[in-house]
Amino acid sequence: AQKITQTQPGMFVQEKEAVTLDCTYDTSDPSYGLFWYKQPSSGEMIFLIYQGSYDQQNATEGRYSLNFQKARKSANLVISASQLGDSAMYFCAMREGHSFDSNYQLIWGAGTKLIIKP
Amino acid sequence: EADIYQTPRYLVIGTGKKITLECSQTMGHDKMYWYQQDPGMELHLIHYSYGVNSTEKGDLSSESTVSRIRTEHFPLTLESARPSHTSQYLCASKTGTGFPGELFFGEGSRLTVL
Repeated sequence: AQKITQTQPGMFVQEKEAVTLDCTYDTSDPSYGLFWYKQPSSGEMIFLIYQGSYDQQNATEGRYSLNFQKARKSANLVISASQLGDSAMYFCAMREGHSFDSNYQLIWGAGTKLIIKP
Repeated sequence: EADIYQTPRYLVIGTGKKITLECSQTMGHDKMYWYQQDPGMELHLIHYSYGVNSTEKGDLSSESTVSRIRTEHFPLTLESARPSHTSQYLCASKTGTGFPGELFFGEGSRLTVL
């Protein structure tokens, strides 16, 4: 069974609008973490934001925020005021187990291709 | 900015050739990883290493091999390339400590086997 599901293969958004990229996950481990990465056409994966399962507040990093709904097992990425440079693939990934154990493997979603229109 | 480098960025070779994809990082990270990624698809872990002389196979079976003789260097080798090996290969590293322990990636090596 898929553990990370990104249901939007592709999205077109007008520049300066906010955009929400969906991510749902499945785990029975009470301790886990969720990462979002951006992959521009150059190929490099860039870390954007992290949310831990015990975090009380939604994570924010500049224009990026995470809409974390634990009961629904969703961790959607919100990009405010989108820019042309935001056009890229976006991947959601999950770490199972406690963050103190660094010997974890990430489980990846299939990604969403975001295109920002001028 | 992450200091992890992959060479070559692009490689087109014929079937049966031996290839080595290089990956080097200057951050002193203990943990290094190789992922395989087809266009527009998720990443699949093919090899990882938790330190010098430590290598393990990932979830996706791969005919490639890796070595970790030095902390900073984690090359991937294909002894006899086939068209089915055509893909993008991403190298990543992370520290064994620190929070949240995100991966740092190179720019990838895009391999085409004719």
